[in-house]
Amino acid sequence: QSVLTQPPSVSGAPGQRVTISCTGSSSNIGAAYDVHWYQQLPGTAPKLLIYGNSNRPSGVPDRFSGSKSGTSASLAITGLQAEDEADYYCQSYDSSLSGYVFGTGTKVTVL
Amino acid sequence: QVQLQQSGPGLVKPSQTLSLTCAISGDSVSSNSAAWNWIRQSPSRGLEWLGRTYYRSRWYNDYAISVKSRITINPDTSKNQFSLQLNSVTPEDTAVYYCARAKAVAGTKYFYYGMDVWGQGTTVTVSS
Repeated sequence: QSVLTQPPSVSGAPGQRVTISCTGSSSNIGAAYDVHWYQQLPGTAPKLLIYGNSNRPSGVPDRFSGSKSGTSASLAITGLQAEDEADYYCQSYDSSLSGYVFGTGTKVTVL
Repeated sequence: QVQLQQSGPGLVKPSQTLSLTCAISGDSVSSNSAAWNWIRQSPSRGLEWLGRTYYRSRWYNDYAISVKSRITINPDTSKNQFSLQLNSVTPEDTAVYYCARAKAVAGTKYFYYGMDVWGQGTTVTVSS
């Protein structure tokens, strides 16, 4: 049902860099709507990680960064830590659906 | 510090109405820089935005196309809370339901700051 596509899983060793892609279309990311990213730990509500494509809320480590280009966006985690093991979701607005849309979600595993 | 506290039943019978409430502390349901959202999450549908209510000189409501014929989101200014009603539920509506605040540039409908505060989640099962 999700209109934003993410890889199901990514993994990396502690200290490594991983990236998560979020692929949309001309009615959402490609229409210049902002992309936000959320981190969800097991059994908890999603937590805002990146807003407005590339901005970190207060308290989010600068190991997390976001970018957007064309119809896609990316979340990068540098210096991967064990505590980063979680599910990550992108979110934007879709003009054809007239509402918010979420990505399919990516599970990050720290090896 | 803004907090959202959800309440409501965890079990609803098929064809009946699912009703949840989200109480706001530290902000106002009438804020001109926020929208108040309902989102649900299930293994089959992932995270799914259901709708929102917000105030900009008047009240606005937006609903997801997938539930538009069955959903109502109402603000309650006297109790500083908002509610979700989903009619004619089926087992497909079984999910964890969240309320969340979307923060906007003050006085606008530009929700630049994402959904920055979430409720704790309510697991709702639709079953007889």
